Amino acid sequence: GESVGLHLPTLSVQEGDNSIINCAYSNSASDYFIWYKQESGKGPQFIIDIRSNMDKRQGQRVTVLLNKTVKHLSLQIAATQPGDSAVYFCAEDIQGAQKLVFGQGTRLTINP
Amino acid sequence: DAGVIQSPRHEVTEMGQEVTLRCKPISGHDYLFWYRQTMMRGLELLIYFNNNVPIDDSGMPEDRFSAKMPNASFSTLKIQPSEPRDSAVYFCASSFAGYEQYFGPGTRLTVT
Repeated sequence: GESVGLHLPTLSVQEGDNSIINCAYSNSASDYFIWYKQESGKGPQFIIDIRSNMDKRQGQRVTVLLNKTVKHLSLQIAATQPGDSAVYFCAEDIQGAQKLVFGQGTRLTINP
Repeated sequence: DAGVIQSPRHEVTEMGQEVTLRCKPISGHDYLFWYRQTMMRGLELLIYFNNNVPIDDSGMPEDRFSAKMPNASFSTLKIQPSEPRDSAVYFCASSFAGYEQYFGPGTRLTVT
């Protein structure tokens, strides 16, 4: 079946560097994508979303890029801080039905 | 707003017992979602409601699982009888109009 996946399960970056977390999706009908951050012992926390009619959206220190041609989604975190350590999930909304399909997650660790 | 509230936060029970998980969504939200998270399967959508009506329960693993939403401020997920393979973290999430889902802190269920 179609699913959302991640290229890398773990990512380690130096504090202050930029982080890029990638995600591949396979459902061409998906029109809404979301990034969530999950800290240990907590529920996923919404970071940023993007609709399929956009290719880029920026938030505070975060940018999401969408490439529909290759079905690729990425999350860029600028000036990574220790508080950014978490597991990051991408999710796609299957056909606008409010049914989110989550990827496996990427664990981001920050080196001092 | 207090956010999505779930209870209990931890539940340990013996195989065969009935388990009831509870959720209070954010006031004003019209969608409520139940998810299950395990290391093996990741974050899976079990069922979601719109205006207290179940819309899609295709993710409910089997008849042992049931969910209700008697009013806009309360929902339950029941497992009867429980089995060790039901051990997981169960999340409730709510949203307005189906997007930007806000997750609760989760209930960690252990079935021995």
